[in-house]
Amino acid sequence: EAEVAQSPRYKITEKSQAVAFWCDPISGHATLYWYRQILGQGPELLVQFQDESVVDDSQLPKDRFSAERLKGVDSTLKIQPAELGDSAMYLCASSLGDRVYEQYFGPGTRLTVT
Amino acid sequence: AQSVTQLDSHVSVSEGTPVLLRCNYSSSYSPSLFWYVQHPNKGLQLLLKYTSAATLVKGINGFEAEFKKSETSFHLTKPSAHMSDAAEYFCVVSEISTRDMRFGAGTRLTVKP
Repeated sequence: EAEVAQSPRYKITEKSQAVAFWCDPISGHATLYWYRQILGQGPELLVQFQDESVVDDSQLPKDRFSAERLKGVDSTLKIQPAELGDSAMYLCASSLGDRVYEQYFGPGTRLTVT
Repeated sequence: AQSVTQLDSHVSVSEGTPVLLRCNYSSSYSPSLFWYVQHPNKGLQLLLKYTSAATLVKGINGFEAEFKKSETSFHLTKPSAHMSDAAEYFCVVSEISTRDMRFGAGTRLTVKP
């Protein structure tokens, strides 16, 4: 069964350092999402791509976060510089369409900022 | 804007007894509603979805949920809990007019032997 791949699974970094996460969606899925899940809370959408275009980044802290999906396939989420409050699980999901379809989630990257 | 409230942050049941996880939603338009499960160190998995068809929705692993518009609820139930059901459960709402999904804060289900 096809799955969403994410790497790394775990990342520990010091504050003020740069960190990057990678996501490879299910083949053929045009829509890709990045979520942040703080411990004890539900996931919150950071950015949504339709193919290579950003369709929603209203919740992305743009002073330190950036996301790209250059060829409309895999995607990278970057944080620079990392802050203590960025410690969270970062989840990637993909779906066939851009409306109410099932989103398939990857296992996530757990980030700890020290 | 749409939102969900999961009424219990933690539910504990004994193996073999019924499970009830409660969810209320707020939506300006006809919502789509979902339940996801998250096991430790695993990705979120879709349990079931409601998208304006039958109000009683059956999902995987014996779970089901009933959409009640008059009560703005979408509670998740299972007749008999298994140890493998222990996980975090998220209720999610989405509107046809938007592209985003709003997650509840989650309910942690503990199953005692």
